[in-house]
Amino acid sequence: DIQMTQSPSSLSASVGDRVTITCRASQGISNYLAWYQQKPGKVPKLLIYAASTLQSGVPSRFSGSGSGTDFTLTISSLQPEDVATYYCQKYNSAPRTFGQGTKVEV
Amino acid sequence: EVQLVQSGAEVKKPGESLKISCKGSGYSFSNYWIGWVRQMPGKGLEWMGIIYPGDSDTRYSPSFHGQVTISADKSISTAYLQWSSLKASDTAIYYCARSRIVEASDQPFDYWGQGTLVTVSS
Repeated sequence: DIQMTQSPSSLSASVGDRVTITCRASQGISNYLAWYQQKPGKVPKLLIYAASTLQSGVPSRFSGSGSGTDFTLTISSLQPEDVATYYCQKYNSAPRTFGQGTKVEV
Repeated sequence: EVQLVQSGAEVKKPGESLKISCKGSGYSFSNYWIGWVRQMPGKGLEWMGIIYPGDSDTRYSPSFHGQVTISADKSISTAYLQWSSLKASDTAIYYCARSRIVEASDQPFDYWGQGTLVTVSS
């Protein structure tokens, strides 16, 4: 099975900072990569799919890039409401594995 | 409005059976893959499997194959996750979620249920 590894596991940044999270697949997955945000005590929310396509309604400060095995999620200007754990997920074939998560604190 | 409404929290003893549900509305339930995701206390998301309600085609994660059963009843727009013999390690929140595009299994989840907390304790 393909493994998804995120880094870092957690980070602390200031409001307005640019934040980057990386996700690496153990084998190539083309652009079958999604990013989710899960705020404390809440349901996960789809942010980005196809590695770089913003889901409807998601603020434009979120962006994604990458293809093959290496991907990034960038928050261009961190806001207080962005405190959450972020997960990548590969979805080209079963099992559609999630990364272990990156906890973002402000 | 697309909605996935899950059944309520459960408290069970080890060895007991359980079936939890996820009812879809606001879209053509039969034509979108529905998946299940586990989140153990304080831990990350784990993909368990998916089902296509139209024909009950089901795919499991190797980690969950044989441990749970995923099913669906398209006549009442409901998907299920069941256990025949629960263990303490099954204690978790279980989410159902819908694949983003009609008929496509290779899609992320765009709508999620509210989650069902399952607690297994003697």
